[in-house]
Amino acid sequence: AQSVTQLGSHVSVSEGALVLLRCNYSSSVPPYLFWYVQYPNQGLQLLLKYTTGATLVKGINGFEAEFKKSETSFHLTKPSAHMSDAAEYFCAVSDLADSWGKLQFGAGTQVVVTP
Amino acid sequence: GAGVSQTPSNKVTEKGKYVELRCDPISGHTALYWYRQSLGQGPEFLIYFQGTGAADDSGLPNDRFFAVRPEGSVSTLKIQRTERGDSAVYLCASRQDSNSPLHFGNGTRLTVT
Repeated sequence: AQSVTQLGSHVSVSEGALVLLRCNYSSSVPPYLFWYVQYPNQGLQLLLKYTTGATLVKGINGFEAEFKKSETSFHLTKPSAHMSDAAEYFCAVSDLADSWGKLQFGAGTQVVVTP
Repeated sequence: GAGVSQTPSNKVTEKGKYVELRCDPISGHTALYWYRQSLGQGPEFLIYFQGTGAADDSGLPNDRFFAVRPEGSVSTLKIQRTERGDSAVYLCASRQDSNSPLHFGNGTRLTVT
C-alpha cells in the first residue's frame, strides 16, 4: 500500500525567501511522484512529476523537486517565493502498476507568502 | 481549449436526498476520474473510467455512490440518500493517455444539511 505524508499543514514564507515543502512517501515498489498546486476556487494543476531517470525534476513556475530513494522523500523547493505562490500544495504518489492516474494524495500544505 | 467542466459548482441538499454531479472532460480524453476532497484533506480516489466502462471503482465508499459514463464522454456521479458526511468537494479529472498528466476540473462543492 502507498501513502504520502506532508510535514506541515501550513507554511508561511517571506517574499523572496526559499520555499521548502516536505513530502515523504511509503511504497512497496518504485513510485511515480507528483506535486500539484491548487489556487483558491481552481482545480488542481500539475507542478511536476518524477517517473524515472534524473532525480531532480524541474517544474513550472520555478519549482523543482528531488527524488531521494534512500530517504523516501520528494521535497518541493523554490529559491525565491513570489506572492503568486500562495496556494495549497499536494504531494501524490502512484504505483507503477496504476500509472493510469489513481493517485494517493497527501493532506496538503497551505503556503502563505508575506510581503 | 476548454478544460474539464464540472456542474454545478455548488450544491446544497438535505440529508436523505439524491444528487447528481456532472463532469465534462476535455474532448478526446478517454480516461476519466472522480476524486473526493474532504475539508483539510487531500483528494481521495473514487472511480476511474476508461471509455464507457468503470475500470476501477474500488474507491467508492459504499453502495450509495454510483457513477456512469454512457457514451464515453460526460460522466455523472450519483449519490443516493445523502448523509452529512458526504459533504466535500467532488473533483473530476481526465487524461488523454497513460503518459499524460491528469487535468482536474474546479470541482463541485456538495453540502448536505
